[in-house]
Amino acid sequence: QVQLVASGGGVVQPGRSLRLSCVASGFTFSNYGMHWVRQAPGKGLEWVAVIWFDGNGKYYADSVKGRFTISRDNSKNTLDLQMNSLTAEDTAVYYCAREDYDSSGYLYGLDVWGQGTTVTVSS
Amino acid sequence: EIVLTQSPGTLSLSPGERATLPCRASQSVSSNYLAWYQQKPGQAPRLLIYGASSRAPGIPDRFSGSGSGTDFSLTISRLEPEDFAVYYCQHYGSSPYSFGQGTKLEFK
Repeated sequence: QVQLVASGGGVVQPGRSLRLSCVASGFTFSNYGMHWVRQAPGKGLEWVAVIWFDGNGKYYADSVKGRFTISRDNSKNTLDLQMNSLTAEDTAVYYCAREDYDSSGYLYGLDVWGQGTTVTVSS
Repeated sequence: EIVLTQSPGTLSLSPGERATLPCRASQSVSSNYLAWYQQKPGQAPRLLIYGASSRAPGIPDRFSGSGSGTDFSLTISRLEPEDFAVYYCQHYGSSPYSFGQGTKLEFK
Protein backbone atom coordinates (compact mmCIF):
# COMPACT_ATOMS: atom_id res chain seq x y z
CA GLN A 1 0.00 0.00 0.00
CA VAL A 2 0.95 3.64 -0.34
CA GLN A 3 3.18 4.47 2.59
CA LEU A 4 5.71 6.96 3.92
CA VAL A 5 7.97 6.01 6.81
CA ALA A 6 9.99 8.74 8.49
CA SER A 7 13.03 8.15 10.64
CA GLY A 8 16.11 9.84 12.05
CA GLY A 9 14.64 11.82 14.91
CA GLY A 10 16.22 11.97 18.33
CA VAL A 11 17.64 14.21 21.02
CA VAL A 12 20.29 16.66 19.86
CA GLN A 13 22.11 19.54 21.51
CA PRO A 14 21.54 23.13 20.38
CA GLY A 15 23.77 24.09 17.50
CA ARG A 16 24.23 20.51 16.31
CA SER A 17 22.88 18.82 13.18
CA LEU A 18 20.47 16.01 12.42
CA ARG A 19 19.34 14.31 9.23
CA LEU A 20 15.81 12.99 8.79
CA SER A 21 14.80 10.45 6.16
CA CYS A 22 11.51 9.33 4.70
CA VAL A 23 11.14 6.16 2.66
CA ALA A 24 8.28 5.92 0.19
CA SER A 25 6.59 2.75 -1.05
CA GLY A 26 3.51 1.72 -3.00
CA PHE A 27 3.64 4.55 -5.54
CA THR A 28 5.95 6.06 -8.17
CA PHE A 29 7.93 8.34 -5.91
CA SER A 30 9.64 10.20 -8.76
CA ASN A 31 6.28 11.56 -9.98
CA TYR A 32 5.45 13.53 -6.84
CA GLY A 33 6.47 16.67 -5.05
CA MET A 34 7.31 15.99 -1.42
CA HIS A 35 7.07 18.07 1.73
CA TRP A 36 8.24 18.24 5.30
CA VAL A 37 5.77 19.60 7.87
CA ARG A 38 6.46 19.91 11.58
CA GLN A 39 4.44 20.27 14.76
CA ALA A 40 5.92 21.59 17.99
CA PRO A 41 4.54 20.08 21.20
CA GLY A 42 0.98 21.26 21.77
CA LYS A 43 1.10 23.54 18.73
CA GLY A 44 -0.29 23.61 15.21
CA LEU A 45 1.14 22.45 11.92
CA GLU A 46 4.01 24.38 10.36
CA TRP A 47 5.06 23.82 6.77
CA VAL A 48 8.86 23.42 6.50
CA ALA A 49 9.95 22.67 2.94
CA VAL A 50 8.97 21.27 -0.46
CA ILE A 51 10.96 19.62 -3.22
CA TRP A 52 9.66 19.14 -6.73
CA PHE A 53 9.29 15.68 -8.25
CA ASP A 54 12.61 15.99 -10.11
CA GLY A 55 14.49 17.77 -7.32
CA ASN A 56 14.91 20.92 -9.38
CA GLY A 57 12.74 23.13 -7.21
CA LYS A 58 13.22 23.54 -3.46
CA TYR A 59 11.47 26.03 -1.21
CA TYR A 60 11.66 26.65 2.51
CA ALA A 61 9.82 28.37 5.32
CA ASP A 62 11.59 31.52 6.48
CA SER A 63 12.10 29.92 9.91
CA VAL A 64 14.43 27.26 8.46
CA LYS A 65 15.88 28.92 5.36
CA GLY A 66 19.66 28.74 5.32
CA ARG A 67 19.75 26.03 8.01
CA PHE A 68 17.70 23.17 6.56
CA THR A 69 18.18 21.43 3.21
CA ILE A 70 15.62 19.19 1.57
CA SER A 71 16.78 16.56 -0.91
CA ARG A 72 15.60 13.37 -2.56
CA ASP A 73 16.97 10.26 -4.24
CA ASN A 74 14.42 9.00 -6.73
CA SER A 75 16.45 5.84 -7.36
CA LYS A 76 16.05 4.89 -3.68
CA ASN A 77 12.57 6.37 -3.09
CA THR A 78 13.90 8.49 -0.27
CA LEU A 79 13.34 12.05 0.92
CA ASP A 80 15.75 13.69 3.35
CA LEU A 81 15.90 16.78 5.52
CA GLN A 82 19.33 17.94 6.67
CA MET A 83 18.92 20.17 9.69
CA ASN A 84 21.84 22.31 10.85
CA SER A 85 22.29 24.86 13.63
CA LEU A 86 19.36 23.45 15.53
CA THR A 87 17.67 25.45 18.26
CA ALA A 88 15.03 24.66 20.86
CA GLU A 89 12.43 26.16 18.50
CA ASP A 90 13.07 23.28 16.09
CA THR A 91 11.78 20.76 18.64
CA ALA A 92 8.82 19.09 16.95
CA VAL A 93 7.37 16.04 15.32
CA TYR A 94 8.45 16.09 11.69
CA TYR A 95 6.15 14.64 9.05
CA CYS A 96 6.94 13.88 5.43
CA ALA A 97 4.01 14.18 3.04
CA ARG A 98 3.19 13.67 -0.63
CA GLU A 99 1.58 16.32 -2.80
CA ASP A 100 -1.00 14.79 -5.09
CA TYR A 101 -2.11 16.10 -8.48
CA ASP A 102 -4.24 15.09 -11.47
CA SER A 103 -3.44 14.51 -15.11
CA SER A 104 -3.92 18.20 -15.92
CA GLY A 105 -1.44 19.17 -13.22
CA TYR A 106 -4.08 20.46 -10.81
CA LEU A 107 -2.79 20.01 -7.29
CA TYR A 108 -4.71 18.07 -4.66
CA GLY A 109 -2.91 18.95 -1.43
CA LEU A 110 -0.96 16.65 0.87
CA ASP A 111 -2.73 13.31 0.58
CA VAL A 112 -0.28 10.85 2.12
CA TRP A 113 1.58 11.47 5.37
CA GLY A 114 4.24 9.59 7.25
CA GLN A 115 3.81 8.73 10.90
CA GLY A 116 6.23 11.44 12.03
CA THR A 117 9.61 11.38 13.71
CA THR A 118 10.34 13.37 16.86
CA VAL A 119 13.21 15.82 17.12
CA THR A 120 14.11 17.23 20.52
CA VAL A 121 16.73 19.95 20.76
CA SER A 122 17.99 20.21 24.30
CA SER A 123 21.23 20.49 26.20
CA GLU B 1 2.97 35.25 1.90
CA ILE B 2 -0.61 34.21 2.54
CA VAL B 3 -1.61 34.21 6.20
CA LEU B 4 -4.58 32.02 7.09
CA THR B 5 -6.74 32.85 10.09
CA GLN B 6 -8.98 30.28 11.70
CA SER B 7 -11.37 31.59 14.31
CA PRO B 8 -12.63 30.47 16.75
CA GLY B 9 -9.75 28.47 18.10
CA THR B 10 -12.20 26.13 19.82
CA LEU B 11 -15.74 25.20 18.87
CA SER B 12 -17.95 23.36 21.39
CA LEU B 13 -20.77 21.34 19.85
CA SER B 14 -22.72 18.13 20.39
CA PRO B 15 -23.01 15.04 18.20
CA GLY B 16 -25.71 15.49 15.58
CA GLU B 17 -25.16 19.24 15.33
CA ARG B 18 -23.84 21.09 12.31
CA ALA B 19 -20.35 22.55 12.45
CA THR B 20 -19.03 25.40 10.31
CA LEU B 21 -15.34 26.18 10.55
CA PRO B 22 -14.13 29.35 8.81
CA CYS B 23 -10.74 30.11 7.30
CA ARG B 24 -9.83 33.57 6.07
CA ALA B 25 -6.82 34.30 3.85
CA SER B 26 -4.86 37.55 3.91
CA GLN B 27 -4.91 37.63 0.11
CA SER B 28 -6.73 35.80 -2.64
CA VAL B 29 -5.90 32.10 -2.97
CA SER B 30 -5.15 31.32 -6.58
CA SER B 31 -6.69 28.28 -8.29
CA ASN B 32 -8.65 27.71 -5.06
CA TYR B 33 -5.61 25.87 -3.71
CA LEU B 34 -7.09 25.60 -0.24
CA ALA B 35 -7.13 22.30 1.65
CA TRP B 36 -8.59 21.11 4.94
CA TYR B 37 -7.05 18.50 7.22
CA GLN B 38 -8.27 16.66 10.29
CA GLN B 39 -5.86 15.69 13.03
CA LYS B 40 -6.54 13.49 16.03
CA PRO B 41 -4.18 13.21 19.03
CA GLY B 42 -1.06 11.22 18.27
CA GLN B 43 -1.92 10.88 14.60
CA ALA B 44 -0.72 12.45 11.38
CA PRO B 45 -3.09 14.88 9.65
CA ARG B 46 -5.61 13.48 7.17
CA LEU B 47 -6.60 15.30 4.00
CA LEU B 48 -10.34 16.00 3.92
CA ILE B 49 -10.87 18.65 1.25
CA TYR B 50 -8.72 19.96 -1.62
CA GLY B 51 -9.38 22.67 -4.18
CA ALA B 52 -11.57 24.36 -1.54
CA SER B 53 -14.56 22.09 -2.19
CA SER B 54 -13.53 18.64 -3.44
CA ARG B 55 -13.64 15.74 -1.00
CA ALA B 56 -10.58 13.53 -0.85
CA PRO B 57 -11.15 9.81 -1.54
CA GLY B 58 -12.85 7.97 1.31
CA ILE B 59 -14.04 11.09 3.12
CA PRO B 60 -17.69 10.88 4.21
CA ASP B 61 -20.13 13.18 2.46
CA ARG B 62 -21.05 14.91 5.72
CA PHE B 63 -17.82 16.86 5.18
CA SER B 64 -18.01 19.70 2.66
CA GLY B 65 -15.87 22.68 1.77
CA SER B 66 -16.84 25.97 0.22
CA GLY B 67 -15.53 29.41 -0.57
CA SER B 68 -13.21 31.22 -2.94
CA GLY B 69 -10.89 34.19 -2.98
CA THR B 70 -10.17 34.91 0.68
CA ASP B 71 -13.07 33.30 2.55
CA PHE B 72 -13.42 29.57 2.96
CA SER B 73 -15.22 27.22 5.29
CA LEU B 74 -15.45 23.57 6.22
CA THR B 75 -18.89 22.25 7.14
CA ILE B 76 -19.70 19.01 8.90
CA SER B 77 -23.41 18.48 8.40
CA ARG B 78 -24.09 16.16 11.36
CA LEU B 79 -21.32 15.61 13.84
CA GLU B 80 -20.34 12.05 14.64
CA PRO B 81 -18.34 11.25 17.81
CA GLU B 82 -15.23 10.54 15.71
CA ASP B 83 -15.33 14.04 14.19
CA PHE B 84 -14.16 15.73 17.39
CA ALA B 85 -10.60 16.65 16.46
CA VAL B 86 -8.49 19.60 15.32
CA TYR B 87 -9.02 20.98 11.82
CA TYR B 88 -6.50 22.95 9.80
CA CYS B 89 -6.83 24.85 6.57
CA GLN B 90 -3.81 25.15 4.29
CA HIS B 91 -2.87 27.19 1.27
CA TYR B 92 -0.86 25.11 -1.16
CA GLY B 93 0.52 25.25 -4.69
CA SER B 94 3.07 27.97 -4.07
CA SER B 95 5.58 28.66 -1.36
CA PRO B 96 5.11 29.18 1.52
CA TYR B 97 2.45 26.50 1.98
CA SER B 98 0.97 28.12 5.08
CA PHE B 99 -1.40 26.49 7.57
CA GLY B 100 -4.01 28.17 9.68
CA GLN B 101 -3.57 27.85 13.43
CA GLY B 102 -6.34 25.27 13.65
CA THR B 103 -9.80 24.96 15.16
CA LYS B 104 -10.38 22.39 17.87
CA LEU B 105 -13.82 20.82 17.72
CA GLU B 106 -14.73 19.64 21.23
CA PHE B 107 -17.70 18.03 22.93
CA LYS B 108 -20.12 20.50 24.48
